[in-house]
Amino acid sequence: AQTVTQSQPEMSVQEAETVTLSCTYDTSESDYYLFWYKQPPSRQMILVIRQEAYKQQNATENRFSVNFQKAAKSFSLKISDSQLGDAAMYFCAYAYAGKSTFGDGTTLTVKP
Amino acid sequence: ETGVTQTPRHLVMGMTNKKSLKCEQHLGHNAMYWYKQSAKKPLELMFVYNFKEQTENNSVPSRFSPECPNSSHLFLHLHTLQPEDSALYLCASSQGDSKTGELFFGEGSRLTVL
Repeated sequence: AQTVTQSQPEMSVQEAETVTLSCTYDTSESDYYLFWYKQPPSRQMILVIRQEAYKQQNATENRFSVNFQKAAKSFSLKISDSQLGDAAMYFCAYAYAGKSTFGDGTTLTVKP
Repeated sequence: ETGVTQTPRHLVMGMTNKKSLKCEQHLGHNAMYWYKQSAKKPLELMFVYNFKEQTENNSVPSRFSPECPNSSHLFLHLHTLQPEDSALYLCASSQGDSKTGELFFGEGSRLTVL
C-alpha cells in the first residue's frame, strides 16, 4: 500500500524568509502524481502545486517550488519570501489511478 | 461561490439525533468523496462515488450512511453517532476519469457529538 510521510508536524518561518517542508512516500508504481495542498485555519483546502512523476523538471508556482527526487521518493515543498497568508496546514498527497493518499500534515507558522 | 459547497458549516447533535451533511459541486466532476479530519490524526477517506455509484467504503461504521443522488450532490446521513465521531467532515470532488486524482475540497462541516 502507498504511504506518505511528513516528518515535521510543525514548522515556523520568519516573514520574507524561505522554508522547506519535507515529504516522503512509498510506492511501487512509476507513473503517479504528487501534490501539496494548503488548509488555512477554518478555510477550505486548496491545491498549491502538482508534480507529475514522469516529468523530471521540478514544478514551480510563483513562490512555491518542489524538489522532486523520484529515486529517493522524496517530494519537498519550498516556500520563498514567506508571507503571513502562508500560515496553514500543508498536506503532501500521492495519487495513482485517481486515488489519493495523504500525509499527516505540517502546520506552518509565519512570524511577522 | 466556491466550486464545492458544504452545508451546514457547523453541526451539534446528540447521540440519538439523526442529521445529514450536504455537499454540492459546481465543477462538472463525476467523482465525489467524504473525508473525516480529526485532530492529531491523518485525513481518513470514508466513501467514494464515481458516476453516482459507490466505489469505495473504507470500513466506515453503519451509523454513517452516504447517498449520491446525482453527480453533483452527495449526502452523509448521520444516526446514533458517538462522541469520537466529532470531527471536520470534508467533501471533495474530482474528474473521475482523470489520472491526476486532483481533489477539490469544500470548506467542511464541523460536527460535534454530545
